[in-house]
Amino acid sequence: QSALTQPASVSGSPGQSITISCIGTSTDVGRFNYVSWFQQHPGKAPKLLIYDIDGRPSGVSNRFSASKSGNTASLTISGLQADDEADYYCSSYTSSDTEVFGTGTKVTV
Amino acid sequence: QVQLVESGGGVVQPGRSLRLSCEASGFTFSSYTLHWVRQAPGKGLEWLAGISYDGRNEYYAESVKGRITISRDTSQNTLYLQLSSLRFEDTALYYCAREDSLSVGAFDIWGQGTMVTVS
Repeated sequence: QSALTQPASVSGSPGQSITISCIGTSTDVGRFNYVSWFQQHPGKAPKLLIYDIDGRPSGVSNRFSASKSGNTASLTISGLQADDEADYYCSSYTSSDTEVFGTGTKVTV
Repeated sequence: QVQLVESGGGVVQPGRSLRLSCEASGFTFSSYTLHWVRQAPGKGLEWLAGISYDGRNEYYAESVKGRITISRDTSQNTLYLQLSSLRFEDTALYYCAREDSLSVGAFDIWGQGTMVTVS
């Protein structure tokens, strides 16, 4: 199972919006609505931001939103803030009953 | 306080074995599917294995299948990962993670990780 494809880096200015793509295949992202997004600050464990394509756990800012179209999932961060500077990973359930993460995107504010 | 605490990492020679542990607290251990995820230094996340809430089903990444075994002990509230035939490329920070009971792949609780160095 190959990793989902994400851009290596995305940057934006404070207050702007950015979007991170996550490209999979018809056996993972395209087949299931089980796409999650995680934020990871340096030296910290990942934090769940989004689940089931666009669900937001309690406590996660509504500045984080997500969607899916075909084999591509997307995470949008609006009103970019300094603390949003981190690595972001998508993940998806697969037809092999496994999980697969994306390659990761470094967001620079 | 809901938390996962990994242990068992260290420096190990190639070809040797190691067992990692992940002790859970603050939630009903037997109600959740649990997973192991690793992260090589400076690299991305890699899902390794998952085990169902009742321990009946185990799931493995193809890249490590046959070399790792996931298990759980409800009496100890502990998740395990047995690593065998270790290779240099197994050097990584190993995380355990809890999957939210209402969704697949929603890893809502993570431990702080335990470092394995194969050298």
